[in-house]
Amino acid sequence: AQSVTQLGSHVSVSEGALVLLRCNYSSSVPPYLFWYVQYPNQGLQLLLKYTSAATLVKGINGFEAEFKKSETSFHLTKPSAHMSDAAEYFCAVIERNGNEKLTFGTGTRLTIIP
Amino acid sequence: DTGVSQDPRHKITKRGQNVTFRCDPISEHNRLYWYRQTLGQGPEFLTYFQNEAQLEKSRLLSDRFSAERPKGSFSTLEIQRTEQGDSAMYLCASGRDGVMEQFFGPGTRLTVL
Repeated sequence: AQSVTQLGSHVSVSEGALVLLRCNYSSSVPPYLFWYVQYPNQGLQLLLKYTSAATLVKGINGFEAEFKKSETSFHLTKPSAHMSDAAEYFCAVIERNGNEKLTFGTGTRLTIIP
Repeated sequence: DTGVSQDPRHKITKRGQNVTFRCDPISEHNRLYWYRQTLGQGPEFLTYFQNEAQLEKSRLLSDRFSAERPKGSFSTLEIQRTEQGDSAMYLCASGRDGVMEQFFGPGTRLTVL
């Protein structure tokens, strides 16, 4: 079964600094990969997804992620953090040839320091 | 596109009571998913429908849980004889065949006293 590991349950960065949130998956066949953001008491919003095209994926709000098969990773980055980026971020996968159910990591809470 | 809606947004109930949640997907979406999210965790898959057919149920979905999607549009999730361990956020998502994207509703937060 697929699993997703997010290193660091809490990450703090200063406003304007680089944001790096880590995600690794376990699968011999690269899955579809996603990053979702969740603001307090709200549902999840898709930031970006990797299906099978370019390995560098650009998403909303200035976020991007790079799929690295050799490292089984899909880390999320943003060059310059904004106060509004403070939220919970979830990495998730969908197995290829599966039923398209999402398997989520445990999440990373991002705090922005003014 | 009005998005995925869920009702109610909050539900407080006493242990042993039955509760029912409703999810209205985006109108042209034929796939509908239910997930459960407990505090500090990522959402966990419960079940999913393709049109009106329930195609998979997680082991998390005990016999006290039942989900329906009678006409392939809205869905209901019922929990019978609620337990304190059922306290969680219940999330609904919808999508279309072949499109690897699920749109989430705001969730129903259940508190069992």
